[in-house]
Amino acid sequence: DIVMTQSPDSLAVSLGERATMNCKSSQSVVYSSDNKNYLAWYQQKPGQPPKLLVYWASTRESGVPDRFSGSGSGTDFTLTISSLQAEDVAVYYCQQYYRTPITFGPGTKVDIK
Amino acid sequence: EVQLVQSGAEVKKPGESLRISCKASGFSFTTYWIAWVRQMPGEGLEWMGIIYPTDSETRYSPSFQGQVTISADKSISTAYLQWSSLKAADTAMYYCARHAGPPGIYYFDYWGQGALVTVSS
Repeated sequence: DIVMTQSPDSLAVSLGERATMNCKSSQSVVYSSDNKNYLAWYQQKPGQPPKLLVYWASTRESGVPDRFSGSGSGTDFTLTISSLQAEDVAVYYCQQYYRTPITFGPGTKVDIK
Repeated sequence: EVQLVQSGAEVKKPGESLRISCKASGFSFTTYWIAWVRQMPGEGLEWMGIIYPTDSETRYSPSFQGQVTISADKSISTAYLQWSSLKAADTAMYYCARHAGPPGIYYFDYWGQGALVTVSS
């Protein structure tokens, strides 16, 4: 199985400041046939199902605010919230879909400082 | 509008059987892989397995193989997750989700609202 790790476990950021979180896969999630990174990011708020934010490592889902951006390639990825808003308090998960079993990282919890 | 509507919360005793459901609407049910994802209390997300409703092909995570059964009835656009003998450790929220981008198994673009299963004597 591909093991996903995330760091930090949690972070607290002031409103309007940048929040950056990382995700690492135990092996590359880039397919040579299409050169795409099979990596997605989700946001989960308490009592809600996860919500897709980013797929193919850097493609923002329709309707997701542009303060959310994904970057990285191969085994190392980053999700950045450029200007943290109160409604961004949540747990953020990365997920690889390079191969089954699909695996998620343990999550990064984001709070307001 | 794409929707995945799950059955309601369940409270069961250890050893009992259970089947929960996920009814799809707003898209062609038979052309997308549908997954089940477990979230234990206070924990992260675990992919349990998937089904392709066209031919009911299933794939399970090794962690869940033999522990649950995933099935689907394409005539009513509904996927199921079933246990034959529940354990207290099965207490969790269970989500169904649609894998984007047929025919591939990609990211999840739509999720059900979740079904809380509580197993307690």
